[in-house]
Amino acid sequence: GQQVMQIPQYQHVQEGEDFTTYCNSSTTLSNIQWYKQRPGGHPVFLIQLVKSGEVKKQKRLTFQFGEAKKNSSLHITATQTTDVGTYFCAGFVLYSGGGADGLTFGKGTHLIIQP
Amino acid sequence: GAGVSQTPSNKVTEKGKYVELRCDPISGHTALYWYRQSLGQGPEFLIYFQGTGAADDSGLPNDRFFAVRPEGSVSTLKIQRTERGDSAVYLCASSLSGGYAEQYFGPGTRLTVT
Repeated sequence: GQQVMQIPQYQHVQEGEDFTTYCNSSTTLSNIQWYKQRPGGHPVFLIQLVKSGEVKKQKRLTFQFGEAKKNSSLHITATQTTDVGTYFCAGFVLYSGGGADGLTFGKGTHLIIQP
Repeated sequence: GAGVSQTPSNKVTEKGKYVELRCDPISGHTALYWYRQSLGQGPEFLIYFQGTGAADDSGLPNDRFFAVRPEGSVSTLKIQRTERGDSAVYLCASSLSGGYAEQYFGPGTRLTVT
């Protein structure tokens, strides 16, 4: 089963409100990547975090990587209708005996914005 | 330049049939990945190619699934004796070098097994 968990599964916000999605792994991640998938579209890379405790910002988006490299969050300030979509975190899980070379994705958080 | 392309965009097949799904990565990208995405789920890793070789096929669910990348560019995912549970969107992604590099996803092939 999936090793990377995300909450909440769905988030309804009014336009202009803030939004946060949380990502947790049962094992240490070498890094974490965030992707956005618009309805009917494919995942699009947003950012990668590598260092313990790292914080990165992209305009209204703030990404954090936990000190233990087991959790991460994405915060959007003052949501806009263009932010609608599903936000996925994904990491390279370090399994015993060697890590997989493909990303392990969370189930995603579906952001729904009410104008 | 052009992004990752996948064909066909939709495929409907009967249970027990064989299907091939094609991925054309971004030119110059040495790494190629196949993922499968079911409704309401995140993409699930299937296989990773570095050049022509399958560097990691640990995500293939069983021996009905096989993938090739004979010349290090285009890849084909092959599914034998399809089952209804194989229905999903099959996503291909490529990256410049593999490892932690950003992955660029194609539009996917929606496979429906009836």
